[in-house]
Amino acid sequence: GAGVSQSPSNKVTEKGKDVELRCDPISGHTALYWYRQSLGQGLEFLIYFQGNSAPDKSGLPSDRFSAERTGGSVSTLTIQRTQQEDSAVYLCASSSEAGLAEQYFGPGTRLTVT
Amino acid sequence: AQSVTQPDIHITVSEGASLELRCNYSYGATPYLFWYVQSPGQGLQLLLKYFSGDTLVQGIKGFEAEFKRSQSSFNLRKPSVHWSDAAEYFCAVARRWGDKIIFGKGTRLHILP
Repeated sequence: GAGVSQSPSNKVTEKGKDVELRCDPISGHTALYWYRQSLGQGLEFLIYFQGNSAPDKSGLPSDRFSAERTGGSVSTLTIQRTQQEDSAVYLCASSSEAGLAEQYFGPGTRLTVT
Repeated sequence: AQSVTQPDIHITVSEGASLELRCNYSYGATPYLFWYVQSPGQGLQLLLKYFSGDTLVQGIKGFEAEFKRSQSSFNLRKPSVHWSDAAEYFCAVARRWGDKIIFGKGTRLHILP
């Protein structure tokens, strides 16, 4: 279908609550990335899924963060016990080859932890 | 670990002037290199990419970038900027095919009328 979609577009949550962010990649894309964008910090790599390979989780900032990708398509990023420093825009991207063809980015989910 | 450095957080140029945005990477071998643009309220868009071959790469919107191995640089250039080029520009690198893509912190470009 269309491009990468993410939901929700905005999420306000209280400190300590868990949140789930969803990414629907472009159909057929084998690679999927999660990034976090904070003011002045650029795009911080979080996690990378490529086909059936084990995901590269080296960018996850703490064990409160986890992600899964079901059926090689939809991905969910979960943040447990949210903290104020988790407030950011979470971006998802997908690409059609092994991560090095053009990445198509979703519009992002703006997370605000109060 | 690989990293990408964009030394300039903000750049201001006059409309019609030339532009060069700097990008340096730390990985020793020849990585795969990208430039992306994020316009206000817009998503990220790929401007150009370098994998191998000719070290001068042409992209969309009149942008080009030159890979210089000796300087570990991949600077983005445009001969004459337009007001619509005001945006944030990100350099990105992957160590090898299939590896994760890491982004720099970005350079925000401001255009003076």
